[in-house]
Amino acid sequence: AQSVTQLDSQVPVFEEAPVELRCNYSSSVSVYLFWYVQYPNQGLQLLLKYLSGSTLVESINGFEAEFNKSQTSFHLRKPSVHISDTAEYFCAVSDSNTGFQKLVFGTGTRLLVSP
Amino acid sequence: GAVVSQHPSWVICKSGTSVKIECRSLDFQATTMFWYRQFPKQSLMLMATSNEGSKATYEQGVEKDKFLINHASLTLSTLTVTSAHPEDSSFYICSAPGTGIFMVDYTFGSGTRLTVV
Repeated sequence: AQSVTQLDSQVPVFEEAPVELRCNYSSSVSVYLFWYVQYPNQGLQLLLKYLSGSTLVESINGFEAEFNKSQTSFHLRKPSVHISDTAEYFCAVSDSNTGFQKLVFGTGTRLLVSP
Repeated sequence: GAVVSQHPSWVICKSGTSVKIECRSLDFQATTMFWYRQFPKQSLMLMATSNEGSKATYEQGVEKDKFLINHASLTLSTLTVTSAHPEDSSFYICSAPGTGIFMVDYTFGSGTRLTVV
């Protein structure tokens, strides 16, 4: 079984400042890792994912995350945030075996960007 | 890209009544649908996995007789909350696995906010 820990429930930051949202996971098998973003009363949108290959993955809107197997982490970073980045961010993990595998989510981190 | 249409987006019902939530895959066939529940300011918890043509698989602690799941076709999965009570008030979200080689491009519905009064 897998588990995900997001230690920060809320991260306040000023606009144009850098931000890091932390995610650690636990698993006895190989995993896929994901970051999702959720805006109020909406479903989840995939931000980025790690499946294999390069441990650094990037999204189209400036976010990046690095898979660190030794530290079992997949922290999300952005060098300069915008007001529009204010949302709830969820880290998730799934078993990398073939077939449909359920996602296990962390408790989420609310990113609050203020001017 | 793949789209999952979820309806209704919000519903208010009286205690004791039943509510049906629909999730349709619009441009792909979803043989599997995951149903999640999210309480305010909390994470998503998997309730059950529906599979077209077979019985749903429920997570431990989820009452299958209360949360009826039907996967009637390759494009439609429904969740019916029977005899709803105020404690069932929550945000319900469906998700379908992707069709890519890794099958991990999950597509989420927009969610249904259920309020039981």
